[in-house]
Amino acid sequence: QKEVEQDPGPLSVPEGAIVSLNCTYSNSAFQYFMWYRQYSRKGPELLMYTYSSGNKEDGRFTAQVDKSSKYISLFIRDSQPSDSATYLCAMSAGSGGYNKLIFGAGTRLAVHP
Amino acid sequence: GEEVAQTPKHLVRGEGQKAKLYCAPIKGHSYVFWYQQVLKNEFKFLISFQNENVFDETGMPKERFSAKCLPNSPCSLEIQATKLEDSAVYFCASSPPEQGTDTQYFGPGTRLTVL
Repeated sequence: QKEVEQDPGPLSVPEGAIVSLNCTYSNSAFQYFMWYRQYSRKGPELLMYTYSSGNKEDGRFTAQVDKSSKYISLFIRDSQPSDSATYLCAMSAGSGGYNKLIFGAGTRLAVHP
Repeated sequence: GEEVAQTPKHLVRGEGQKAKLYCAPIKGHSYVFWYQQVLKNEFKFLISFQNENVFDETGMPKERFSAKCLPNSPCSLEIQATKLEDSAVYFCASSPPEQGTDTQYFGPGTRLTVL
């Protein structure tokens, strides 16, 4: 069983829709949770970072962590065609600055006009 | 520089040949990470460095893979006697030295194709 599970999609939504992306994990030691966006043939780019449980909002993006359920989510409001990319959840037991990240498989998102 | 630089962008090797990939971390960053991305999405951690010292090598296939980060030189990842399953995109990431900095900045990757 993988430590981090993420539905690979693809997920196709119309422009303006609210998108919900999710990951589950099995390692209760994970405390740092990240969402990366990866455009085709590019490196991952950090979108959101959360420590422990709770919510975090940044513009159109909201990240949620529920450690009791070992479940994390990323919500994208008013989705745009430019949001079309692969979204990767990542997590680590210690600070993500110097500890290895464990990634989900990534969810491919397509936002159509 | 302000971006992680990786060279070459693409590398093609015949099975059994050696491959060497390079990474220049962001200036001032002291942690360097190597990840392997196979089948488009599956990221696998290989090794990390704190300056020139190995920090975590738990993901490294020891028999054919080696890596170095030497002072005043790009970091390198070398694969001896490449195999078909080594075909992947190899990403380098770096992060600053300060405690509490939780971001890894990724480079654009090197695509290795083993024929």
